[in-house]
Amino acid sequence: QQQVKQSPQSLIVQKGGISIINCAYENTAFDYFPWYQQFPGKGPALLIAIRPDVSEKKEGRFTISFNKSAKQFSLHIMDSQPGDSATYFCAANHGGTGKLIFGQGTTLQVKP
Amino acid sequence: EPEVTQTPSHQVTQMGQEVILRCVPISNHLYFYWYRQILGQKVEFLVSFYNNEISEKSEIFDDQFSVERPDGSNFTLKIRSTKLEDSAMYFCASRKFTGGEGEKLFFGSGTQLSVL
Repeated sequence: QQQVKQSPQSLIVQKGGISIINCAYENTAFDYFPWYQQFPGKGPALLIAIRPDVSEKKEGRFTISFNKSAKQFSLHIMDSQPGDSATYFCAANHGGTGKLIFGQGTTLQVKP
Repeated sequence: EPEVTQTPSHQVTQMGQEVILRCVPISNHLYFYWYRQILGQKVEFLVSFYNNEISEKSEIFDDQFSVERPDGSNFTLKIRSTKLEDSAMYFCASRKFTGGEGEKLFFGSGTQLSVL
């Protein structure tokens, strides 16, 4: 019940296209859902986060869509660029503890 | 922008040896964490630390592991007797406080530990 399932494992998108990564969770106590971006040899960096009281959050080219009833959330990267090529992790947390449960990660490659 | 600093970036050790991984969290942060990532796998929570004590630990964090904040700036992870399966990238993280913007967790660049 503590798992966060992420798909796809890898994704190839053409420059300018939309990248979509999906996550699903079981624990309804989760109340904070961040997305992290990780480049090789670096630590995860917070990209965008959402709480379950809103269905969508947008920051620049990055949008989180949240479906509370389905217990799913997704990251959309609009106008994908080669510089977006990285591994993306969804995560979940409850109670503000900072103990993040991460998904398995999605390796995104944006082709020029 | 302030960042979490980890040293060393790479650590090679022999099985059974003790290692200490070092971290300098962001200066006004109050909550500190260690996570690890085995090659090709997801990031996993190890331990959280607040007010000079462990607040939560995972089943991975057994008696071989310990954490310490020896002074006002450093946060360390000690593995007493390393095993082959301890080989992983270890990330230190910190955050300011709970709720709102303070919930943002900032990660260091990691220490790649290789146990031979």
